[in-house]
Amino acid sequence: NAGVTQTPKFQVLKTGQSMTLQCAQDMNHNSMYWYRQDPGMGLRLIYYSASEGTTDKGEVPNGYNVSRLNKREFSLRLESAAPSQTSVYFCASSGGQGYGYTFGSGTRLTVV
Amino acid sequence: KNQVEQSPQSLIILEGKNCTLQCNYTVSPFSNLRWYKQDTGRGPVSLTIMTFSENTKSNGRYTATLDADTKQSSLHITASQLSDSASYICVVSGNSGYSTLTFGKGTMLLVSP
Repeated sequence: NAGVTQTPKFQVLKTGQSMTLQCAQDMNHNSMYWYRQDPGMGLRLIYYSASEGTTDKGEVPNGYNVSRLNKREFSLRLESAAPSQTSVYFCASSGGQGYGYTFGSGTRLTVV
Repeated sequence: KNQVEQSPQSLIILEGKNCTLQCNYTVSPFSNLRWYKQDTGRGPVSLTIMTFSENTKSNGRYTATLDADTKQSSLHITASQLSDSASYICVVSGNSGYSTLTFGKGTMLLVSP
């Protein structure tokens, strides 16, 4: 089925470790996004890529980096994980501004 | 500051009953309002998208309304089913760029048999 695929689904890290969350979409969408979802809060934008070759900071970018590898793939990297980064991370894509978003199924990350 | 407030926080209804979820927003300028359904452990799935000129939009048993003057929206679920148990998230989009989606915290709906 067409959609957004995220890997891994679950991950436990120790403080200070690094990891990359992978995201790929097969809908030929221009725009891709990384969000985090914490209990009692709405989804918050970490980084986005309006089109291939561009990336921009969202609301909560500190501690993260991103790479728009090609039109299909948008990865999120934690260089030195902290307990405050324990969260559920969602990747999303859209055809552009004003279009609906398609979300992946999420990565549940725990930093101990 | 752009905000989206949803009520109630949680709701329990009996299978087959109707319910209405509320969303108030202060996002300006306004582009569109979206309702998403998020099942436990899954990503949000779009139900409806409404622009400024649209008052109502339906998707099966889901009907969303929008009053852009009072900055209020509602999501009405008819003849609820057990599979409707989920979090329903109201999302408002400004029109000043790609990063201007404001998410509500969601209403957790439990449909009981």
